[in-house]
Amino acid sequence: SQQGEEDPQALSIQEGENATMNCSYKTSINNLQWYRQNSGRGLVHLILIRSNEREKHSGRLRVTLDTSKKSSSLLITASRAADTASYFCATDIGIIFGKGTRLHILP
Amino acid sequence: DVKVTQSSRYLVKRTGEKVFLECVQDMDHENMFWYRQDPGLGLRLIYFSYDVKMKEKGDIPEGYSVSREKKERFSLILESASTNQTSMYLCASSLSFGTGELFFGEGSRLTVL
Repeated sequence: SQQGEEDPQALSIQEGENATMNCSYKTSINNLQWYRQNSGRGLVHLILIRSNEREKHSGRLRVTLDTSKKSSSLLITASRAADTASYFCATDIGIIFGKGTRLHILP
Repeated sequence: DVKVTQSSRYLVKRTGEKVFLECVQDMDHENMFWYRQDPGLGLRLIYFSYDVKMKEKGDIPEGYSVSREKKERFSLILESASTNQTSMYLCASSLSFGTGELFFGEGSRLTVL
């Protein structure tokens, strides 16, 4: 089945630094979405990028999409402690998730 | 404010018991989903439903069934719980199938002894 795969699996950075995580997928998509999950909670939608878009911004989030490479990246600028969470990409019709990137922001 | 409510945050059941996990959404969404989440495996889709009384198998439907008698409610049923079904179960709903974001509940952590 189609699946997004996030990379790296885990990432630790200092507060204030930028965090970049990547997602690769296998087949053609209509859109790609990114979600955040705080420990022990449900997922929260962050941003959606359509297949005809190359870049999208939302606050401190920047998402890029390269359909030729079947990959997407999520950049979080000026990271904060509250950004500590797992981040997932979802592909195709938005129901197939990868394993996530665990982001830890160090004080 | 949109809301997906899962009936139980934590459950402990015994092997062989029948388990019901309930999910209710108040957004009049057509589509509802059940996932399980395990360390190292991410989220895996169990079943989804795009209309009342309609259901489709996801990636891992074995050992599970679902019921959607009303639009707002989607139930996951474990007919005979087994220890390998110990997991976090997440319910989600969406308005449009293909372009819409998913709204998740807080999850139900099931332990089968």
